[in-house]
Amino acid sequence: DVKVTQSSRYLVKRTGEKVFLECVQDMDHENMFWYRQDPGLGLRLIYFSYDVKMKEKGDIPEGYSVSREKKERFSLILESASTNQTSMYLCASSLSRQGVEAFGSGTRLTVV
Amino acid sequence: QKEVEQNSGPLSVPEGAIASLNCTYSDRGSQSFFWYRQYSGKSPELIMFIYSNGDKEDGRFTAQLNKASQYVSLLIRDSQPSDSATYLCAVNIRDGNKLVFGAGTILRVKS
Repeated sequence: DVKVTQSSRYLVKRTGEKVFLECVQDMDHENMFWYRQDPGLGLRLIYFSYDVKMKEKGDIPEGYSVSREKKERFSLILESASTNQTSMYLCASSLSRQGVEAFGSGTRLTVV
Repeated sequence: QKEVEQNSGPLSVPEGAIASLNCTYSDRGSQSFFWYRQYSGKSPELIMFIYSNGDKEDGRFTAQLNKASQYVSLLIRDSQPSDSATYLCAVNIRDGNKLVFGAGTILRVKS
């Protein structure tokens, strides 16, 4: 089974802090994604990457950036955390570009 | 209009019944469709995908796709209490080739 590991299950950060969310997958997938999930809004795509060093903006990239230095690792960066970035963040990976095959267990981030 | 729409529910069905979950989408050019199950406090897990019009069966699950009417359904036969979860529909939107999720339908199976 594909395993997607997110480094933290819960995080509490202060407004203005720079926040790093780490994600590692162990199935040699080319494609990796970052979503956030909010009640009533579903999953929204923040950034995705189809290859090392490649990154593309999703639907809500504002206030975020990403890094993909190695194939298995895809990091989400909140440049200056704000309270409206309080959310559940889900990393995902896939062999195909058509869909997402596996999600990480999620990081619940609270910005105070 | 949202790109992918689902009734939020909850949809309540008795144990052993067929649960029918529906999803509509706006992009007529969409080619691939996915259903995920998400238990409370957990991350989504892929149940099945469908690319062609018609039905696709996998165990107790059947996905149905009608591109002309722009809807995709998930049927769960012999529903069990363990099927109680939120079901997410996702559509690969042709523009940008990205996966867009609906907000999900809550399913409750009562024993």
